[in-house]
Amino acid sequence: GQNIDQPTEMTATEGAIVQINCTYQTSGFNGLFWYQQHAGEAPTFLSYNVLDGLEEKGRFSSFLSRSKGYSYLLLKELQMKDSASYLCVSTDSNYQLIWGAGTKLIIKP
Amino acid sequence: IAGITQAPTSQILAAGRRMTLRCTQDMRHNAMYWYRQDLGLGLRLIHYSNTAGTTGKGEVPDGYSVSRANTDDFPLTLASAVPSQTSVYFCASSDSRDFGTDTQYFGPGTRLTVL
Repeated sequence: GQNIDQPTEMTATEGAIVQINCTYQTSGFNGLFWYQQHAGEAPTFLSYNVLDGLEEKGRFSSFLSRSKGYSYLLLKELQMKDSASYLCVSTDSNYQLIWGAGTKLIIKP
Repeated sequence: IAGITQAPTSQILAAGRRMTLRCTQDMRHNAMYWYRQDLGLGLRLIHYSNTAGTTGKGEVPDGYSVSRANTDDFPLTLASAVPSQTSVYFCASSDSRDFGTDTQYFGPGTRLTVL
């Protein structure tokens, strides 16, 4: 079957670094998205990886290993506004999106 | 630029009633989608449309119908609401017919409670 696994909740300190992991089992994998969703709001796009390696975008970086079915989102210099849920989303051979349940990130001062 | 708008913002509905959730985008995107989001679960696709005039079923289409008469509008109808349809509904759009590789832009959501 198709499945996304990511931790339900994580806590980190303002100014620190946090890594949110995601493993996926997707038939005919065609890429992986990360979206951010603040409480009560809509998801917003963060990153898309289709090739192995690290993509850096400001304070946020996303990594993909296709052979391991693994991705992570790295957030640096954490700010209070980074408190949100982070959704890992894979794409299958039919370009259907498989959404993870999300990781709720709590930032403490 | 508004992006995607949804109406209503929230609604409490008696079971058995008919309800249409509205979604309008002004980005001229080809593809549009309806999702539901329930606590502890990932977003689940209800219906989608790759282009005006065509629609398709997603993961959880039962009890819902959609239409795509033009590029901008993509209403979702619950013919006879049931309590299990209590959820937050998100409309989204993307600029690609191969929607798995393109960024999706989401509306603010409609919180629906069916009693």
